[in-house]
Amino acid sequence: DVKVTQSSRYLVKRTGEKVFLECVQDMDHENMFWYRQDPGLGLRLIYFSYDVKMKEKGDIPEGYSVSREKKERFSLILESASTNQTSMYLCASSLFRQTVYNEQFFGPGTRLTVL
Amino acid sequence: AQTVTQSQPEMSVQEAETVTLSCTYDTSESDYYLFWYKQPPSRQMILVIRQEAYKQQNATENRFSVNFQKAAKSFSLKISDSQLGDAAMYFCAYRSALGQAGTALIFGKGTTLSVSS
Repeated sequence: DVKVTQSSRYLVKRTGEKVFLECVQDMDHENMFWYRQDPGLGLRLIYFSYDVKMKEKGDIPEGYSVSREKKERFSLILESASTNQTSMYLCASSLFRQTVYNEQFFGPGTRLTVL
Repeated sequence: AQTVTQSQPEMSVQEAETVTLSCTYDTSESDYYLFWYKQPPSRQMILVIRQEAYKQQNATENRFSVNFQKAAKSFSLKISDSQLGDAAMYFCAYRSALGQAGTALIFGKGTTLSVSS
């Protein structure tokens, strides 16, 4: 079974703190993604990576950065957390090759609250 | 840019009955994939069903089936014999089949389905 894990289910941080959200997958997937989920807005892509040290901006990258030093790990970094970054963050991974059977597998999510 | 629209924020159904969740999308591409994902309360998002755009036959997975109308750009999900465990938020998602690099999903805003006994 594919397993995507995220370092925390719940996280509370203060405004201005640097926040790290970690995601690890165990299926040797090339692609990894970070989404943000907000009520009434669905999921929006923050960043994705298709290889180690490679990254691409998604729809809402402002205020975020990412790091992929190892294939299995993809980190989302909030350089200076703000209250409008309070949200649910979902990590996903998939194989590189584009087919309909290349589904994305999701982690359980991290609910981040910034006070 | 592609967009996905789910016009029903909430739906409800009784156990054993059938419910249909709507999804429309907008794209200029001819080759793409469509998905329905399920997110149960406080649980992980999982794939329910997938459809290739160039296949006219509607996908079916047990009690879940889709009505794919390519010309109308419509991709609805039908859940037959609804069960309490079907209660969840359902997301319709689009992914381009073009390109070699990993391509992210484009999601609708979701439909919350409640199931009553």
